[in-house]
Amino acid sequence: SQKIEQNSEALNIQEGKTATLTCNYTNYSPAYLQWYRQDPGRGPVFLLLIRENEKEKRKERLKVTFDTTLKQSLFHITASQPADSATYLCVHFGNEKLTFGTGTRLTIIP
Amino acid sequence: EAQVTQNPRYLITVTGKKLTVTCSQNMNHEYMSWYRQDPGLGLRQIYYSMNVEVTDKGDVPEGYKVSRKEKRNFPLILESPSPNQTSLYFCASSFAGTATEAFFGQGTRLTVV
Repeated sequence: SQKIEQNSEALNIQEGKTATLTCNYTNYSPAYLQWYRQDPGRGPVFLLLIRENEKEKRKERLKVTFDTTLKQSLFHITASQPADSATYLCVHFGNEKLTFGTGTRLTIIP
Repeated sequence: EAQVTQNPRYLITVTGKKLTVTCSQNMNHEYMSWYRQDPGLGLRQIYYSMNVEVTDKGDVPEGYKVSRKEKRNFPLILESPSPNQTSLYFCASSFAGTATEAFFGQGTRLTVV
């Protein structure tokens, strides 16, 4: 079955810098990947979706890339702010179900 | 407002006492699912439903039941809760078969003593 790995459990970034989060997948190349944000004790909130035939997707300060050769997706937050502090989840939908990575807890330090 | 509503938000119960966590969505989504979230393990799918009267097991279905009698509702039933079912539970919905976002409920924090 598909496995989603987010290698960094926690990441601390200085305010104003770019935060880069990594998502690796095993087995087959997913048709697309999704990224969600989760705040403590709350449900995940959808941010971006990228398809395998898209190299890059942007939304305001967010950017996602998809490299099927490396089996990897990168999630970038530019000009990071303390309000960006949260856990970010990489998610794959396939075989009728969502498979979640364990998430990266991002802390933006003022 | 498009939303997924779970109730209750918090629940403390005793071992063996049957309970139901309700989930309702107002977006006419076909696909609904339940997840539990535990520290270090992330979100794991319990059950999902592709449409009314169609349900299937996810990764961790033992000890849980679901039903989908109406499109908008997808209750999670614990017939005989045990302490290892203490967790944070989320219900989610989305359009089935398409690469669209999933909408999550606010979560239900369950403690079984």
